[in-house]
Amino acid sequence: EAGVTQFPSHSVIEKGQTVTLRCDPISGHDNLYWYRRVMGKEIKFLLHFVKESKQDESGMPNNRFLAERTGGTYSTLKVQPAELEDSGVYFCASRLGQGRAANTGELFFGEGSRLTVL
Amino acid sequence: AQSVAQPEDQVNVAEGNPLTVKCTYSVSGNPYLFWYVQYPNRGLQFLLKYITGDNLVKGSYGFEAEFNKSQTSFHLKKPSALVSDSALYFCAVRERSSGNTPLVFGKGTRLSVIA
Repeated sequence: EAGVTQFPSHSVIEKGQTVTLRCDPISGHDNLYWYRRVMGKEIKFLLHFVKESKQDESGMPNNRFLAERTGGTYSTLKVQPAELEDSGVYFCASRLGQGRAANTGELFFGEGSRLTVL
Repeated sequence: AQSVAQPEDQVNVAEGNPLTVKCTYSVSGNPYLFWYVQYPNRGLQFLLKYITGDNLVKGSYGFEAEFNKSQTSFHLKKPSALVSDSALYFCAVRERSSGNTPLVFGKGTRLSVIA
């Protein structure tokens, strides 16, 4: 079974440009999460999809970030326009289940997309 | 608000010696606690979790962690470290009664096992 896959693995862009990150969760996982880690800091929650619906987007930094999950399968995270402080590693994770299974089950992570904004 | 503290940025240990990676947490109620490991150029991998029951939890690769409610801690331990254990370790928490809320992670501790 394929794991969570993310693309690109590394992106280097200029300030003001646009970048779109993609995440393909494990097939059948309704829950999809985006997290971000800035160098040396915590892994911070960005948002959570249940199927195609945004369950929680309280961690999105500002309106330059747009996440979508069309059809409840893969997800994209667009940053437009990118700023220097957006640099970091963006992790996607997925999980099966609802209710107690969702609360106690572990997340399956992708390898991350490293974004460098110059 | 939920939070996790990993007080050490770096832990160095000699191969064969016991290792401890510290984690303390803060939640309003009771916690679910997790440890994840990130090897170089890889995603985070689940190691172990505490949900309920026995305070000593055993996980992958010989790791274990002990839930201590009075000290609000969940330190990761291994009796004998291997060079291959060198990686970045993250502790995470979710409050038990918080519904389907996301995991809250610490900033990570880099473990270096020296041969």
